[in-house]
Amino acid sequence: GAVVSQHPSWVICKSGTSVKIECRSLDFQATTMFWYRQFPKQSLMLMATSNEGSKATYEQGVEKDKFLINHASLTLSTLTVTSAHPEDSSFYICSPQGNEQFFGPGTRLTVL
Amino acid sequence: DAKTTQPTSMDCAEGRAANLPCNHSTISGNEYVYWYRQIHSQGPQYIIHGLKNNETNEMASLIITEDRKSSTLILPHATLRDTAVYYCIVRSGGAGNMLTFGGGTRLMVKP
Repeated sequence: GAVVSQHPSWVICKSGTSVKIECRSLDFQATTMFWYRQFPKQSLMLMATSNEGSKATYEQGVEKDKFLINHASLTLSTLTVTSAHPEDSSFYICSPQGNEQFFGPGTRLTVL
Repeated sequence: DAKTTQPTSMDCAEGRAANLPCNHSTISGNEYVYWYRQIHSQGPQYIIHGLKNNETNEMASLIITEDRKSSTLILPHATLRDTAVYYCIVRSGGAGNMLTFGGGTRLMVKP
């Protein structure tokens, strides 16, 4: 199956700082990337859908100015959490669009 | 996408078959049934998907009822490493549609 990587796998930051999460599809060209987040003991929730070369679309309740998504190439999409706060602490997972829909390993963000 | 209903949790003895049920009574004709699992602190892992025929791969078998209102994922010989949350998801036809996750079934494989 498709190989998807995320970097970093975990990050701890202070409140107010920005954190960038990279998602790479290593053997697959992804026109579209789905970004999910998962709070403890909850299921995955779709945050946004990014399309290569165009603006991302965000789900209701997700602030587009806080969660900046860039999809500059078919193999790289980035999610930047700006001015992170403790309530942004979560597990962030990317998934390139595809028939079988593979997922990245996730990035654990902890905001102190 | 149609919603699915799964038991919250299940136990299975190691070496035995694990049968995970899923109800999707409002599924429409072009919607596929997908199964994923998520081991703690990892991204979801694709297992199998199908439209109306039963499917089998190296990981599992998927049995879909004739009316397509329910399905069962079968892990033929469960191991401790199969302990995970299993998600049954109904997805509209076409690779462009995202997956909507429900609560899933927490499968505990016990020695």
